[in-house]
Amino acid sequence: GQSLEQPSEVTAVEGAIVQINCTYQTSGFYGLSWYQQHDGGAPTFLSYNALDGLEETGRFSSFLSRSDSYGYLLLQELQMKDSASYFCAVDGGSNYQLIWGAGTKLIIKP
Amino acid sequence: EAGVAQSPRYKIIEKRQSVAFWCNPISGHATLYWYQQILGQGPKLLIQFQNNGVVDDSQLPKDRFSAERLKGVDSTLKIQPAKLEDSAVYLCASSLEFDPYGYGYTFGSGTRLTVV
Repeated sequence: GQSLEQPSEVTAVEGAIVQINCTYQTSGFYGLSWYQQHDGGAPTFLSYNALDGLEETGRFSSFLSRSDSYGYLLLQELQMKDSASYFCAVDGGSNYQLIWGAGTKLIIKP
Repeated sequence: EAGVAQSPRYKIIEKRQSVAFWCNPISGHATLYWYQQILGQGPKLLIQFQNNGVVDDSQLPKDRFSAERLKGVDSTLKIQPAKLEDSAVYLCASSLEFDPYGYGYTFGSGTRLTVV
């Protein structure tokens, strides 16, 4: 089967750094995407990694290790507005479908 | 640019009733996706259109769900008859071209369906 695992919930303090991990098991792999979704809102694209290494976009960075079937999203200088659910998604199936993790709820405390 | 429009925003129906959702993608986006997101889970692709043709509907419960995209623009998703387990948020997304990695996905705000 195909699956993605990520923690269900992570708690951090405003101004801190937090890492959200994602491990995947898929029959094929082209890349790992990260999406942010606020409660009641639509998912919004954050980042995409096709190759091993770290991609940085402002306060957010995403890492991929294809050999370990593992990636993470790193959020720095946390702000209250970063409180949301974060999903990793892999293209590993047929017809280029995105396979989604169950999401990690990030709770930020002042 | 205007985003992906969906309506209604919320819908409550009784089981065995029918319901329809509407999506208007971003102008010029050829690819349209319908996702089902059950509370606490990630989105699950139901159907993918390229213009007005179906690319993938392998996870669409065809005995009760149907979708169409006339003229390659707007799309409707219908459930008939609804079951309790259909309670979820139905998300529509569009992209400029075939976009397997979700680079260019723009999601609508979704329709929250509650079946009682």
